[in-house]
Formats: sequence, structure tokens, C-alpha cells
Amino acid sequence: DTGVSQNPRHKITKRGQNVTFRCDPISEHNRLYWYRQTLGQGPEFLTYFQNEAQLEKSRLLSDRFSAERPKGSFSTLEIQRTEQGDSAMYLCASSLGPDWSEAFFGQGTRLTVV
Amino acid sequence: KNQVEQSPQSLIILEGKNCTLQCNYTVSPFSNLRWYKQDTGRGPVSLTIMTFSENTKSNGRYTATLDADTKQSSLHITASQLSDSASYICVVSAAGGTSYGKLTFGQGTILTVHP
Repeated sequence: DTGVSQNPRHKITKRGQNVTFRCDPISEHNRLYWYRQTLGQGPEFLTYFQNEAQLEKSRLLSDRFSAERPKGSFSTLEIQRTEQGDSAMYLCASSLGPDWSEAFFGQGTRLTVV
Repeated sequence: KNQVEQSPQSLIILEGKNCTLQCNYTVSPFSNLRWYKQDTGRGPVSLTIMTFSENTKSNGRYTATLDADTKQSSLHITASQLSDSASYICVVSAAGGTSYGKLTFGQGTILTVHP
């Protein structure tokens, strides 16, 4: 499978616990995006990377959220001290520049905080 | 604030009928506009991508139009099929500055096709 891969697909965690999600983009795609989507809404931008550089972070990304892309390949999104409001689908996408190139999305990680 | 607004919020049509979805945006500077289809519980899948110089682009039964002057786009679906039932999301990409390459999503139009 050469598409964008996200793991895990589903995660249920207790409030206050830390969680980490992984995204493996399409090989050689230099751009990687994280989005959050709640039920009935379109995805909201969280952050994006060009290679290993994190170019922009949304104000939605509080200090409990951190994202990394250490070698410019896979990326991780960590949420510390989870809250019930963090329950959402977390989507990862990747693209190969230039700016108008198609962004391919993974299947997402569904987080439920209980 | 860069925004993308879509209408209607939801739409129900009979199989075989045509429909048109609308998108207005305020993203600036503008780079390109995309329409995505998202099935329930899945990631979005790209249908079309248009830059400011393109007025229309087709992908099978899907035809997107773009008016960069009025900052409006539409997605027309012809001869709808049951498999067209999904959320259709308008996405605008910004150009330049700190928002370079960032995708701003609309809230989506939920289309339901009935037999």
C-alpha cells in the first residue's frame, strides 16, 4: 500500500492520559499536514511540515499538543493530558510540492477520550 | 480571517438527478481551490484542483467552476448515483507568507442520494 498510513485507526483513552499518533506519508512527499475533524464539520488545520521543518501551527494546537517529523519522513502527533474536547478524528495528509499538487489523506485516527 | 463557506449544509436528491454545490471563500492570497469527497469515517479524496486561471474542470460526472473575481466556486454532479452519497468539501490553498500551502476547509455539504 503506497498511500498515507495512520496508526492507530482508533484510540480510546481516559481523560488525563497522553496519546501519540503516527502518520507515514507517501514516499518522497515533502509536505505533511495534520488536521482535526469533529462530527459534522470540515477538517481544521493543526500544523504542517515541509520536510522536517514545522512551518506553521494553528492556534488550535495548544501547548498540550506537539508534532514532530524528525527525519522528514513519518510524523507523530502527541496530545498530553487529554481532555474530552480532544475527541475527534485526526487526519494526516501529504503532498509533493508545488503548492497546487494534490494532497492525499490517510484514513484518520479516531480518538475518544472518556 | 481566511474562511471557506459552503451551501447548502445538506442536500437530498433522487438517483439520476443533477445537483450543484456552492462554495464562497475569503482566503487571500489565493493559490488554488479543491473539491474533496469524504465518505463517512474515511479520509477526504480529491476530485478537482483549480488554480486562479482555470474557470472549469471536470472529472467524470463532476464539474467544478471557479470565479476568482467573486471568490466563488461550484461543484456540479450529473446523473447522480447512490455511491455519490458523501460529504463534499471545498478546500482553498493559500499562497505566500506564513500560510503558504496551508489548506483551509469548508464545513462540507452532506449529499444523500435516494433510489
